[in-house]
Amino acid sequence: NAGVTQTPKFRVLKTGQSMTLLCAQDMNHEYMYWYRQDPGMGLRLIHYSVGEGTTAKGEVPDGYNVSRLKKQNFLLGLESAAPSQTSVYFCASGKGDRAYLGETQYFGPGTRLLVL
Amino acid sequence: ELKVEQNPLFLSMQEGKNYTIYCNYSTTSDRLYWYRQDPGKSLESLFVLLSNGAVKQEGRLMASLDTKARLSTLHITAAVHDLSATYFCAVDIYMEYGNKLVFGAGTILRVKS
Repeated sequence: NAGVTQTPKFRVLKTGQSMTLLCAQDMNHEYMYWYRQDPGMGLRLIHYSVGEGTTAKGEVPDGYNVSRLKKQNFLLGLESAAPSQTSVYFCASGKGDRAYLGETQYFGPGTRLLVL
Repeated sequence: ELKVEQNPLFLSMQEGKNYTIYCNYSTTSDRLYWYRQDPGKSLESLFVLLSNGAVKQEGRLMASLDTKARLSTLHITAAVHDLSATYFCAVDIYMEYGNKLVFGAGTILRVKS
């Protein structure tokens, strides 16, 4: 099992450019999440998905869009990158439902994004 | 809005010493997670605490949860250098479409030999 993988690992963008971050999981999890990590702020939820074709906003969704066309993939898009989006992005997956007590989220290795 | 506060945010301690990291949160929840992150790495799950009074131990780390006080602690016993990392607590809350985690800012732990 590869677990949760992310592509790319590192990217430099210029302001206004667009890009898509890809997250893939092989654990058959229904729930997938995108977080950003900034120094001193922990992880903050951007968007999440509770199943194929269903997405919802998290705490900091502005400037990002997502899609979940296949259960195993969750894409995060930046349409017009801004320097404030310089961050480390983590994808996670999990069973999500409260019925699965004790189930944690599993995190990918992260994508470091620098917007100049 | 749920707030999760960790303290201290930075902890430098000597090998062999004991210390406790605190995690306070502002709303009702009965599930709390602790994660570890090494520099430049992803998050690794340490503990899942599911109810009031829950206590979990793994090696030199012990976590507990008091849902009435909205407080979790991560106790470090006889610290060793390998425990140097950033530790996050995260509170599980239920949203319109399933659960989400709200993270504390993290505690950077440095164990000096």
